[in-house]
Amino acid sequence: ETGVTQTPRHLVMGMTNKKSLKCEQHLGHNAMYWYKQSAKKPLELMFVYNFKEQTENNSVPSRFSPECPNSSHLFLHLHTLQPEDSALYLCASSQDVRGRRSYEQYFGPGTRLTVT
Amino acid sequence: GQSLEQPSEVTAVEGAIVQINCTYQTSGFYGLSWYQQHDGGAPTFLSYNALDGLEETGRFSSFLSRSDSYGYLLLQELQMKDSASYFCAVRDGRDDKIIFGKGTRLHILP
Repeated sequence: ETGVTQTPRHLVMGMTNKKSLKCEQHLGHNAMYWYKQSAKKPLELMFVYNFKEQTENNSVPSRFSPECPNSSHLFLHLHTLQPEDSALYLCASSQDVRGRRSYEQYFGPGTRLTVT
Repeated sequence: GQSLEQPSEVTAVEGAIVQINCTYQTSGFYGLSWYQQHDGGAPTFLSYNALDGLEETGRFSSFLSRSDSYGYLLLQELQMKDSASYFCAVRDGRDDKIIFGKGTRLHILP
């Protein structure tokens, strides 16, 4: 138990569906992240939020839309996804987005997404 | 460009010592971190090195040489539960983004 929870743990959706992934951290951290993990590829940073303000968007397609209503909650809204978007989506948090405290990230268990 | 290189797989024997290397190429450098990820699990933070030298935490140690753009994770007294993937990560100084290596799959033989 890392203090970061994600729901759902598994999701199967069609290409025309709209769904949302939820992440919640109970660590009092200021920074939250979305990562994509595909087989045989490195973790890909998607979005970064610091004090609920987006600080990074790593050229992620617009079919992925993040939302951070407060420092404890992070959402990833999905719509018109492609089969190649099937992957493990991980949420993480850290005390800050810069410096030493950005390196110690706490990850949630992930959502295994399958797009059919 | 920016890149991280680590071996894709390493095999060692229970009770032995294993070293997992990571070389990086970035514009500027702040520090190197290591994460462990078991199958089906989330990455777990292991260590962080900002300065040259060895940092020890129990059976795990992490080393950094900034002049060589190189670091390694050393695992001692290997246990079967150490079978996992290990990722190194750095923050690129130019665009200040964290990048992860592809991970090293550690297989432990009894």
